[in-house]
Amino acid sequence: QVQLVESGGGVVQPGRSLRLSCAASGFTFSSYGMHWVRQAPGKGLDWVAVISNDGSNKYYADSVKGRFTISRDNSKTTLYLQMHSLRAEDTAVYYCASAFDFWSGYYGHWGQGTLVTVSS
Amino acid sequence: NFMLTQPHSVSESPGKTVTISCTRSSGSIASNYVQWYQQRPGSSPTTVIYEDNQRPSGVPDRFSGSIDSSSNSASLTISGLKTEDEADYYCQSYDSSNQVFGGGTKLTVL
Repeated sequence: QVQLVESGGGVVQPGRSLRLSCAASGFTFSSYGMHWVRQAPGKGLDWVAVISNDGSNKYYADSVKGRFTISRDNSKTTLYLQMHSLRAEDTAVYYCASAFDFWSGYYGHWGQGTLVTVSS
Repeated sequence: NFMLTQPHSVSESPGKTVTISCTRSSGSIASNYVQWYQQRPGSSPTTVIYEDNQRPSGVPDRFSGSIDSSSNSASLTISGLKTEDEADYYCQSYDSSNQVFGGGTKLTVL
């Protein structure tokens, strides 16, 4: 069955960096676009970034543009989110989600999320 | 950038029908697909409606979606409410440069 397992979250000081990973299994990872979506504590869903199946197209929310980088390694069936210059408002559970059509497709499968806390 | 506006909360009794709206602030609701996600407490979101009105396999036909160009909004309707439907529901759509979620609606089944 489809599994998406995020890791790499934790407590980090403002201004520091963190890299999240999302290990995928149970489907043809290289055929799917992948998103990162975050959810601040007690708040709603907030789209972060998307990458096409082959990594050639990447888009970001304005709030993270220039600070976050999405990437993937299809040989390792793993999605990444490199986060720099972290701010308190980046504190959230970060989910990865798959989408067959990376832009117009729905988010078919979601991971369980990994919590990032930005605090001094 | 456009916004998707949902009611903060709705409540209804078991067995009844409830409709959750999602209004697009700019651009046509019909121009891009609308999806609906259910998030139960402590769980990750799951898709209940995609491409405006399609149900993934495993989602009961009590869930239906529609769009209304006159009000520039999408709706999620849940009939025959069950206590297990109690959750947060999010609409989602996109334009040429942004993916957007609505603020979410808390459905209480009491």
